[in-house]
Amino acid sequence: GENVEQHPSTLSVQEGDSAVIKCTYSDSASNYFPWYKQELGKRPQLIIDIRSNVGEKKDQRIAVTLNKTAKHFSLHITETQPEDSAVYFCAASLTYKYIFGTGTRLKVLA
Amino acid sequence: GAGVSQSPSNKVTEKGKDVELRCDPISGHTALYWYRQSLGQGLEFLIYFQGNSAPDKSGLPSDRFSAERTGGSVSTLTIQRTQQEDSAVYLCASSLAHLSNQPQHFGDGTRLSIL
Repeated sequence: GENVEQHPSTLSVQEGDSAVIKCTYSDSASNYFPWYKQELGKRPQLIIDIRSNVGEKKDQRIAVTLNKTAKHFSLHITETQPEDSAVYFCAASLTYKYIFGTGTRLKVLA
Repeated sequence: GAGVSQSPSNKVTEKGKDVELRCDPISGHTALYWYRQSLGQGLEFLIYFQGNSAPDKSGLPSDRFSAERTGGSVSTLTIQRTQQEDSAVYLCASSLAHLSNQPQHFGDGTRLSIL
């Protein structure tokens, strides 16, 4: 079955710097890759997603890139702010089932 | 226009008791999912509903876990004879359809603590 690995598990950056979180997946047929942000004690919230027919997608300070050949995708956050501090989860999906990575705890230091 | 609603938000119960967790999906969402999130861990898939049918129950950890959905809306996750390892946050999500590429929207979860 599908397996998703996510790195790093924790990431600390200075405010204003960029943060990059990487995920790899095992099932080459996966075709949808959402990213969720989960603040402490709150629900996971979808922040950006990408489909397999696209290589990159941007939404303001957030971007996601997808390399289908290498089976990996990455989340890029530029000009980080303290409110970006949270746990970020990637996921890969072929049909209805999301397989999630284990999460990255991002700390933005003021 | 409410999002996914789950109740209770917190549940503390003694080992061996049964518990019921409720999920109210976004109106019009035909697909519903249950996940379990243990402390500091990722999201573990439990079960998926399309309408009232559950074509995939593969993630249910044991036969103590069951779920149902009625009227294509509200779903209940039941855990019988709870064990301490059942302690976790149980998250429900819904999506517009069961097809791929449909974002799943999560509720706030039920934090279950087994004493």
